[in-house]
Amino acid sequence: EAGVTQFPSHSVIEKGQTVTLRCDPISGHDNLYWYRRVMGKEIKFLLHFVKESKQDESGMPNNRFLAERTGGTYSTLKVQPAELEDSGVYFCASRKGRWGNTIYFGEGSWLTVV
Amino acid sequence: GQSLEQPSEVTAVEGAIVQINCTYQTSGFYGLSWYQQHDGGAPTFLSYNALDGLEETGRFSSFLSRSDSYGYLLLQELQMKDSASYFCAVRGSQGNLIFGKGTKLSVKP
Repeated sequence: EAGVTQFPSHSVIEKGQTVTLRCDPISGHDNLYWYRRVMGKEIKFLLHFVKESKQDESGMPNNRFLAERTGGTYSTLKVQPAELEDSGVYFCASRKGRWGNTIYFGEGSWLTVV
Repeated sequence: GQSLEQPSEVTAVEGAIVQINCTYQTSGFYGLSWYQQHDGGAPTFLSYNALDGLEETGRFSSFLSRSDSYGYLLLQELQMKDSASYFCAVRGSQGNLIFGKGTKLSVKP
Protein backbone atom coordinates (compact mmCIF):
# COMPACT_ATOMS: atom_id res chain seq x y z
CA GLU A 1 0.00 0.00 0.00
CA ALA A 2 1.37 3.38 -0.99
CA GLY A 3 1.96 5.90 1.75
CA VAL A 4 1.20 9.60 1.73
CA THR A 5 2.94 11.12 -1.25
CA GLN A 6 3.78 14.75 -1.78
CA PHE A 7 4.94 16.72 -4.78
CA PRO A 8 7.25 18.51 -5.33
CA SER A 9 9.78 17.30 -2.81
CA HIS A 10 11.73 20.53 -3.14
CA SER A 11 10.84 23.89 -4.62
CA VAL A 12 12.79 27.13 -4.81
CA ILE A 13 10.82 30.18 -5.91
CA GLU A 14 11.22 33.92 -5.83
CA LYS A 15 9.26 36.15 -3.53
CA GLY A 16 5.99 37.08 -5.16
CA GLN A 17 5.69 33.91 -7.20
CA THR A 18 3.10 31.20 -6.78
CA VAL A 19 3.68 27.62 -5.73
CA THR A 20 1.23 24.75 -5.56
CA LEU A 21 1.97 21.74 -3.41
CA ARG A 22 0.16 18.48 -3.92
CA CYS A 23 -0.65 15.69 -1.51
CA ASP A 24 -2.01 12.25 -2.26
CA PRO A 25 -3.19 10.64 0.96
CA ILE A 26 -3.32 6.93 1.62
CA SER A 27 -6.21 5.46 -0.33
CA GLY A 28 -9.39 5.35 1.72
CA HIS A 29 -8.24 7.93 4.25
CA ASP A 30 -10.97 10.52 4.64
CA ASN A 31 -8.95 12.76 6.94
CA LEU A 32 -6.20 14.84 5.39
CA TYR A 33 -4.05 17.33 7.24
CA TRP A 34 -1.54 19.97 6.23
CA TYR A 35 1.26 20.93 8.60
CA ARG A 36 4.26 23.20 8.29
CA ARG A 37 7.63 23.20 10.00
CA VAL A 38 9.70 26.32 9.78
CA MET A 39 13.40 25.78 10.50
CA GLY A 40 13.98 24.90 14.15
CA LYS A 41 10.39 25.38 15.18
CA GLU A 42 7.48 23.11 15.92
CA ILE A 43 5.40 21.24 13.40
CA LYS A 44 2.43 23.53 13.13
CA PHE A 45 -1.07 22.55 12.11
CA LEU A 46 -2.49 24.36 9.10
CA LEU A 47 -5.76 22.71 8.25
CA HIS A 48 -7.82 19.55 8.22
CA PHE A 49 -10.06 18.10 5.52
CA VAL A 50 -12.66 15.43 6.01
CA LYS A 51 -13.25 14.17 2.51
CA GLU A 52 -13.66 17.36 0.47
CA SER A 53 -14.80 19.57 3.36
CA LYS A 54 -12.58 21.83 5.41
CA GLN A 55 -13.11 20.68 8.97
CA ASP A 56 -10.68 23.08 10.60
CA GLU A 57 -8.57 25.75 8.92
CA SER A 58 -7.66 27.64 12.07
CA GLY A 59 -3.94 27.18 11.45
CA MET A 60 -3.81 28.81 8.03
CA PRO A 61 -1.51 31.81 8.46
CA ASN A 62 -3.24 34.23 6.09
CA ASN A 63 -5.23 34.51 2.89
CA ARG A 64 -2.17 33.94 0.73
CA PHE A 65 -2.66 30.25 1.47
CA LEU A 66 -5.42 28.32 -0.26
CA ALA A 67 -6.07 24.62 0.20
CA GLU A 68 -8.44 22.49 -1.80
CA ARG A 69 -9.47 18.88 -1.89
CA THR A 70 -11.84 18.53 -4.79
CA GLY A 71 -13.46 15.12 -4.92
CA GLY A 72 -12.09 14.19 -1.54
CA THR A 73 -8.98 12.53 -2.90
CA TYR A 74 -5.77 14.49 -3.39
CA SER A 75 -5.28 17.96 -1.96
CA THR A 76 -3.41 21.03 -3.10
CA LEU A 77 -1.99 23.87 -1.07
CA LYS A 78 -1.31 27.03 -3.03
CA VAL A 79 0.78 29.91 -1.76
CA GLN A 80 0.19 33.11 -3.70
CA PRO A 81 2.12 35.38 -3.59
CA ALA A 82 4.90 33.66 -1.69
CA GLU A 83 6.84 35.58 0.97
CA LEU A 84 10.23 34.85 2.50
CA GLU A 85 8.68 33.69 5.78
CA ASP A 86 6.74 30.98 3.95
CA SER A 87 9.94 28.97 3.61
CA GLY A 88 9.79 25.67 5.43
CA VAL A 89 8.72 22.09 5.08
CA TYR A 90 5.06 21.46 4.33
CA PHE A 91 3.86 18.09 5.52
CA CYS A 92 0.70 16.37 4.50
CA ALA A 93 -0.76 13.62 6.65
CA SER A 94 -3.76 11.35 6.49
CA ARG A 95 -5.79 9.17 8.77
CA LYS A 96 -8.55 6.71 8.07
CA GLY A 97 -11.06 7.57 10.77
CA ARG A 98 -11.41 10.64 12.92
CA TRP A 99 -10.14 8.98 16.07
CA GLY A 100 -7.68 6.44 14.70
CA ASN A 101 -4.46 6.43 16.65
CA THR A 102 -2.07 6.90 13.81
CA ILE A 103 -1.67 9.82 11.49
CA TYR A 104 0.62 8.97 8.57
CA PHE A 105 2.86 11.70 7.27
CA GLY A 106 4.31 12.27 3.84
CA GLU A 107 7.97 13.07 3.31
CA GLY A 108 7.17 16.76 3.02
CA SER A 109 7.58 19.46 0.41
CA TRP A 110 10.55 21.70 1.11
CA LEU A 111 9.79 25.25 0.05
CA THR A 112 12.46 27.91 -0.17
CA VAL A 113 11.39 31.43 -1.04
CA VAL A 114 14.27 33.67 -2.09
CA GLY B 1 -5.93 26.54 23.61
CA GLN B 2 -3.25 23.91 23.75
CA SER B 3 0.47 24.13 24.48
CA LEU B 4 3.20 21.59 25.06
CA GLU B 5 6.62 21.92 26.65
CA GLN B 6 9.55 19.60 26.07
CA PRO B 7 13.33 20.07 26.29
CA SER B 8 14.92 21.42 23.14
CA GLU B 9 17.96 19.13 23.17
CA VAL B 10 19.17 15.98 24.86
CA THR B 11 22.52 14.23 24.43
CA ALA B 12 23.28 10.65 25.46
CA VAL B 13 25.73 7.87 24.63
CA GLU B 14 25.12 4.62 22.81
CA GLY B 15 23.62 1.95 25.02
CA ALA B 16 22.29 4.43 27.54
CA ILE B 17 18.71 5.21 28.55
CA VAL B 18 17.17 8.61 27.92
CA GLN B 19 13.86 10.09 29.01
CA ILE B 20 12.20 12.94 27.14
CA ASN B 21 9.57 14.73 29.18
CA CYS B 22 6.51 16.54 27.93
CA THR B 23 4.04 18.67 29.85
CA TYR B 24 0.89 19.89 28.22
CA GLN B 25 -2.00 22.25 28.67
CA THR B 26 -5.19 21.48 26.84
CA SER B 27 -8.81 22.52 26.98
CA GLY B 28 -9.82 18.88 26.51
CA PHE B 29 -7.62 15.80 26.51
CA TYR B 30 -7.82 13.16 23.80
CA GLY B 31 -4.48 11.42 24.19
CA LEU B 32 -0.74 12.06 23.98
CA SER B 33 1.28 10.84 21.00
CA TRP B 34 4.98 10.70 20.24
CA TYR B 35 6.54 11.10 16.81
CA GLN B 36 10.10 10.69 15.61
CA GLN B 37 11.55 12.77 12.81
CA HIS B 38 14.96 12.25 11.26
CA ASP B 39 16.47 15.25 9.48
CA GLY B 40 14.77 15.66 6.14
CA GLY B 41 12.27 12.89 6.77
CA ALA B 42 8.62 12.44 7.59
CA PRO B 43 7.45 12.40 11.20
CA THR B 44 6.72 8.80 12.07
CA PHE B 45 4.37 7.57 14.76
CA LEU B 46 5.96 5.99 17.82
CA SER B 47 3.29 5.68 20.48
CA TYR B 48 -0.03 6.88 21.83
CA ASN B 49 -1.30 7.04 25.41
CA ALA B 50 -4.91 7.76 26.22
CA LEU B 51 -4.87 6.31 29.73
CA ASP B 52 -2.44 6.64 32.63
CA GLY B 53 0.49 4.32 32.73
CA LEU B 54 3.29 2.91 30.69
CA GLU B 55 3.06 1.59 27.12
CA GLU B 56 6.01 -0.45 25.93
CA THR B 57 6.98 -1.06 22.34
CA GLY B 58 10.37 -2.69 22.04
CA ARG B 59 13.13 -0.31 23.12
CA PHE B 60 10.69 2.58 23.35
CA SER B 61 8.18 3.18 26.13
CA SER B 62 5.77 6.03 26.73
CA PHE B 63 4.20 7.09 29.98
CA LEU B 64 1.23 9.28 30.77
CA SER B 65 -0.10 10.88 33.93
CA ARG B 66 -3.30 12.76 33.15
CA SER B 67 -3.56 14.22 36.66
CA ASP B 68 -0.13 15.83 36.20
CA SER B 69 -0.66 16.70 32.51
CA TYR B 70 2.65 15.00 31.94
CA GLY B 71 4.13 12.29 29.84
CA TYR B 72 7.50 11.00 28.79
CA LEU B 73 9.15 8.93 26.12
CA LEU B 74 11.77 6.48 27.34
CA LEU B 75 14.36 5.19 24.92
CA GLN B 76 16.49 2.27 26.05
CA GLU B 77 19.67 0.73 24.65
CA LEU B 78 20.24 3.82 22.58
CA GLN B 79 21.60 3.36 19.09
CA MET B 80 23.18 5.90 16.77
CA LYS B 81 20.14 5.65 14.50
CA ASP B 82 17.98 7.00 17.33
CA SER B 83 19.49 10.43 16.77
CA ALA B 84 16.48 12.43 15.62
CA SER B 85 13.91 14.94 16.80
CA TYR B 86 11.13 13.64 19.01
CA PHE B 87 7.79 15.41 19.24
CA CYS B 88 5.03 14.99 21.74
CA ALA B 89 1.58 15.89 20.47
CA VAL B 90 -1.91 16.18 21.83
CA ARG B 91 -5.02 15.75 19.82
CA GLY B 92 -7.34 18.64 19.15
CA SER B 93 -11.09 18.28 19.42
CA GLN B 94 -11.33 17.78 15.64
CA GLY B 95 -8.73 15.01 15.62
CA ASN B 96 -5.79 17.05 14.39
CA LEU B 97 -2.46 16.92 16.23
CA ILE B 98 -0.92 19.83 18.10
CA PHE B 99 2.84 19.33 18.35
CA GLY B 100 5.43 20.44 20.85
CA LYS B 101 8.55 22.15 19.56
CA GLY B 102 10.47 18.91 19.51
CA THR B 103 13.47 17.53 21.36
CA LYS B 104 16.62 16.97 19.36
CA LEU B 105 18.32 13.81 20.58
CA SER B 106 21.97 13.33 19.79
CA VAL B 107 23.41 9.89 20.45
CA LYS B 108 27.20 9.83 20.79
CA PRO B 109 29.44 6.77 20.44
